Amino acid sequence: KAGVTQTPRYLIKTRGQQVTLSCSPISGHRSVSWYQQTPGQGLQFLFEYFSETQRNKGNFPGRFSGRQFSNSRSEMNVSTLELGDSALYLCASSLAWRDTQYFGPGTRLTVL
Amino acid sequence: SQQGEEDPQALSIQEGENATMNCSYKTSINNLQWYRQNSGRGLVHLILIRSNEREKHSGRLRVTLDTSKKSSSLLITASRAADTASYFCATDDLVNKFYFGSGTKLNVKP
Repeated sequence: KAGVTQTPRYLIKTRGQQVTLSCSPISGHRSVSWYQQTPGQGLQFLFEYFSETQRNKGNFPGRFSGRQFSNSRSEMNVSTLELGDSALYLCASSLAWRDTQYFGPGTRLTVL
Repeated sequence: SQQGEEDPQALSIQEGENATMNCSYKTSINNLQWYRQNSGRGLVHLILIRSNEREKHSGRLRVTLDTSKKSSSLLITASRAADTASYFCATDDLVNKFYFGSGTKLNVKP
């Protein structure tokens, strides 16, 4: 069974731009969560989707948004990029809500 | 960290030795999970222990959970160079917030 895939793997943007990251969960998994990892703040929870509904949200500004499609694929959008948004963005999927999470390789975003 | 702190921050041992990492958290939890991450790549799930469990084993891994002390430990026995990685605990609290600890960097010298 294929694992969680994230695209793109690497991305370079400039301040003020917006970016969309994509995550394809493991086949059959209905829950997708997003995390931001930085050296200073560590791993921080962004949001979680289950059956196209946002079930939970971390403490991030409204510039960070996401959605989940009917096939469970998810996208995350960051608008008006700031230098501090440079990070590894990780997506995780699970079979059911609050189940064991399986992580993708991440998208490394660099904001210049 | 909002929830978990791990101890030690870094650990260096010889191959064959045991490695113990500790995780402390602040609020009541549904479960606690341990993950491994190699060189800034994605996380690999190691083990999940529920709040009503005290100990769990998986191969060379042994996890304990003490909810009265709000702490967990991960023991890796007979370590190998391939175990070199960062190890994170993650808690799923009662309001369904998921928090990761700051991680322990383990270096296993061959």
